[in-house]
Amino acid sequence: QKEVEQDPGPLSVPEGAIVSLNCTYSNSAFQYFMWYRQYSRKGPELLMYTYSSGNKEDGRFTAQVDKSSKYISLFIRDSQPSDSATYLCAMTRAGAGSYQLTFGKGTKLSVIP
Amino acid sequence: GAGVSQSPSNKVTEKGKDVELRCDPISGHTALYWYRQSLGQGLEFLIYFQGNSAPDKSGLPSDRFSAERTGGSVSTLTIQRTQQEDSAVYLCASSAPDRGMWGYTFGSGTRLTVV
Repeated sequence: QKEVEQDPGPLSVPEGAIVSLNCTYSNSAFQYFMWYRQYSRKGPELLMYTYSSGNKEDGRFTAQVDKSSKYISLFIRDSQPSDSATYLCAMTRAGAGSYQLTFGKGTKLSVIP
Repeated sequence: GAGVSQSPSNKVTEKGKDVELRCDPISGHTALYWYRQSLGQGLEFLIYFQGNSAPDKSGLPSDRFSAERTGGSVSTLTIQRTQQEDSAVYLCASSAPDRGMWGYTFGSGTRLTVV
């Protein structure tokens, strides 16, 4: 079992829909959780990050972490065609070695106008 | 420049040849990372530099892979005697001293194809 599991999709939704993306993980040492967005032929860019459990909202994006279930989610409200990209979850532990991120395989999202 | 620059953007090489991939980080970013993104595998950590030293090389898959960084800036990832399984996108990222894991900026990567 990989440390981080993420459904690769592809996921196709109509414009304006609410999108739910998620990852599960097995390493209980993970404390920091991130979501990256990657457009085709580009490097990933950091979208949101959270520490430990809880919710964080930024505009149309909400990140949720449930450490008891080892489950993280990213919600996108009022999805736009420009949101079409691959979304990668990433996580790391606290302290020494925290620079080393463990990524999910990514979910490819298409938002249809 | 404003971002992390990687060259070449695409590289096709014959099996058994050596290749060098270059990364120019953002000026002032002391930390530099190399990751590999293979089809169906996601991003895998290769090596971490702090300044010119590499305190963590644990992700390098074999001794055919090596990397160096000079002047606290440019880094080169070298793959010797390339194999078909080395085909992937090699991504470089850098971060500022006070940003650590939150401040990764990735380049667009080098797409390596071994034929």
